[in-house]
Amino acid sequence: AQTVTQSQPEMSVQEAETVTLSCTYDTSENNYYLFWYKQPPSRQMILVIRQEAYKQQNATENRFSVNFQKAAKSFSLKISDSQLGDTAMYFCAFMEGSGNTGKLIFGQGTTLQVKP
Amino acid sequence: NAGVTQTPKFQVLKTGQSMTLQCAQDMNHNSMYWYRQDPGMGLRLIYYSASEGTTDKGEVPNGYNVSRLNKREFSLRLESAAPSQTSVYFCASVPGSRNTQYFGPGTRLTVL
Repeated sequence: AQTVTQSQPEMSVQEAETVTLSCTYDTSENNYYLFWYKQPPSRQMILVIRQEAYKQQNATENRFSVNFQKAAKSFSLKISDSQLGDTAMYFCAFMEGSGNTGKLIFGQGTTLQVKP
Repeated sequence: NAGVTQTPKFQVLKTGQSMTLQCAQDMNHNSMYWYRQDPGMGLRLIYYSASEGTTDKGEVPNGYNVSRLNKREFSLRLESAAPSQTSVYFCASVPGSRNTQYFGPGTRLTVL
């Protein structure tokens, strides 16, 4: 069974600085998808970024980028120029590529606080 | 488009009571999901419906039942609520199995 591990329960960063959140996963599949979701205090789950395992190029979305290391089964999220609005819980999630279930497996989450 | 909507937003139950959480999406998505989120943990899948007319168990299905009423609606029922079911419940939908999931705003359920 696939598992997702986020080893940093809490992190903090100064506004305008860069922070990296870690995620590792375990799977025997070759084709899969990885996601980072943001959950602010409003509780809404918001997609931050998505990575297809078959793509070697790391995904980027404005200030958010990932470091996808397939062999190491590592998928870290880098937030550049951190803003106060980035304060939230961040979840790493895995989706298998085979089958038609579309199920997501989530890590435990990392609470990020951006300090002014 | 409203996206994924959930009702109610908050609910308090007594042990043994029953209730149904409602979820609807207006994006014509095929697959729908119910997750629960407990403090200090990520979301865990309760049940899902890969397509209209089908439902399957997820990681933590015990104590729950679901109904895929039509393509738009996917309800979650607690027949006899227990304190261990105190949680935040999220519904999600996706157009196809390999697409990004869209989440509803969640329902905070407390069972006393």
